[in-house]
Amino acid sequence: DTAVSQTPKYLVTQMGNDKSIKCEQNLGHDTMYWYKQDSKKFLKIMFSYNNKELIINETVPNRFSPKSPDKAHLNLHINSLELGDSAVYFCASSHRTTGSRSTGELFFGEGSRLTVL
Amino acid sequence: DAKTTQPNSMESNEEEPVHLPCNHSTISGTDYIHWYRQLPSQGPEYVIHGLTSNVNNRMASLAIAEDRKSSTLILHRATLRDAAVYYCILRDTNAGKSTFGDGTTLTVKP
Repeated sequence: DTAVSQTPKYLVTQMGNDKSIKCEQNLGHDTMYWYKQDSKKFLKIMFSYNNKELIINETVPNRFSPKSPDKAHLNLHINSLELGDSAVYFCASSHRTTGSRSTGELFFGEGSRLTVL
Repeated sequence: DAKTTQPNSMESNEEEPVHLPCNHSTISGTDYIHWYRQLPSQGPEYVIHGLTSNVNNRMASLAIAEDRKSSTLILHRATLRDAAVYYCILRDTNAGKSTFGDGTTLTVKP
């Protein structure tokens, strides 16, 4: 069973298009995240949702809009795609608190490689 | 955000121990130290975490300095499958933001 699954795994599209990446976790976690990994392999957090509520929103262009229909899903919609959006996008999930009840361990999906032409 | 600094790269021979250092001099009292690794073309994978005491699990050991300003991930016997980028990050007790540094690329030579 896949713990954190993302679709699609690969996405090639033209500049200016709108695209979505979906993420689902079956771990019962209450917090989900989107990370962006650029060509230099640097992992940068973009958004985090806890129980469907946005708790982290880094300096990300408004063209990026996350949506969490329920605790198990966090989708990422990107409008008017630009060349600089090309990257691998990772979804992750965790329990929010770290301590006796959980490690706060992040579980990552396998990534969605977005190429904007 | 509390940041971590790691060497860009390290090399090891197969079957030998590897010590991967991480500095986190601005760590706060509520930060846990987490280690993840990323194999090629995969998402990061949890390795180990700790708060103050040294920790062991089936994958590795984590040695934490007494002042908590640095830590070392120890792979007791490196294998070729351990070749990856290793990230040391700090996670607060609310498990909110976790800032990944540049990581250490570990090369294991046969």
